[in-house]
Amino acid sequence: DVKVTQSSRYLVKRTGEKVFLECVQDMDHENMFWYRQDPGLGLRLIYFSYDVKMKEKGDIPEGYSVSREKKERFSLILESASTNQTSMYLCASSLPDRNTIYFGEGSWLTVV
Amino acid sequence: DAKTTQPTSMDCAEGRAANLPCNHSTISGNEYVYWYRQIHSQGPQYIIHGLKNNETNEMASLIITEDRKSSTLILPHATLRDTAVYYCIVRVANSGYALNFGKGTSLLVTP
Repeated sequence: DVKVTQSSRYLVKRTGEKVFLECVQDMDHENMFWYRQDPGLGLRLIYFSYDVKMKEKGDIPEGYSVSREKKERFSLILESASTNQTSMYLCASSLPDRNTIYFGEGSWLTVV
Repeated sequence: DAKTTQPTSMDCAEGRAANLPCNHSTISGNEYVYWYRQIHSQGPQYIIHGLKNNETNEMASLIITEDRKSSTLILPHATLRDTAVYYCIVRVANSGYALNFGKGTSLLVTP
C-alpha cells in the first residue's frame, strides 16, 4: 500500500513563527503536492514538485515555500505564520498520470 | 475537465451494496473517470479509475456506461467505515496538478 506520512497531525503556532510541515512517501513517486483544505473552499493546491529540487507554484503559493531535497520528502514552510493560514494541510504524491493521487492524513494547523 | 453531477447525499444500510451515480455527459474520448472519497477529518483517498471498461479492485467496482456519459461506483458490502463524501472526477491523464473535487456525494451508511 502507498503510504504518505505527514509528520504532525495537530499543531498550534503563534503569529510570526516559522512553521515546517514535513511529508514522506514510500512509493518512489516523482510527483508530490501540498494542498490546503478549508470549509466551503474545497481543496486548493499550494505547491507541487515533479522531481527533486523542482517545484512549481499552485493556485495559492503566497506565504508559503517548499523544499524537495530528496525524492521521498516534500516540506512545506510557512515563513511567518498568520492567522489566515489556520487550515488543514494535505500532502500527496501521485503516479505519473498526476490524477491517481495518494494523500496523507492531514495536518491541522492553528495559528494564534 | 468535464463537468460532473452527483447527488448531494445518499443513505445505505450496512451490508448492502452502495451504488453512487455520476453524470458526465460532456466527457471527451481521452478523459478518465476517477473516484475518491474523504472520511471526516482525514485526507482524501483514491478509490478507482477507468476509461471505458468496467473496473474492480479490493475497494470497489466502477461501471461506466457504453456511451461513457455516466458511471456508477459500487461498494459491494457497505460498512459504517464507508461513511464519507465520494467525489467523481473526470480528467485527461497528465492534464495538470490541481484536482477539482467539487461537492461530491455524502454517503451515510446506517446500522
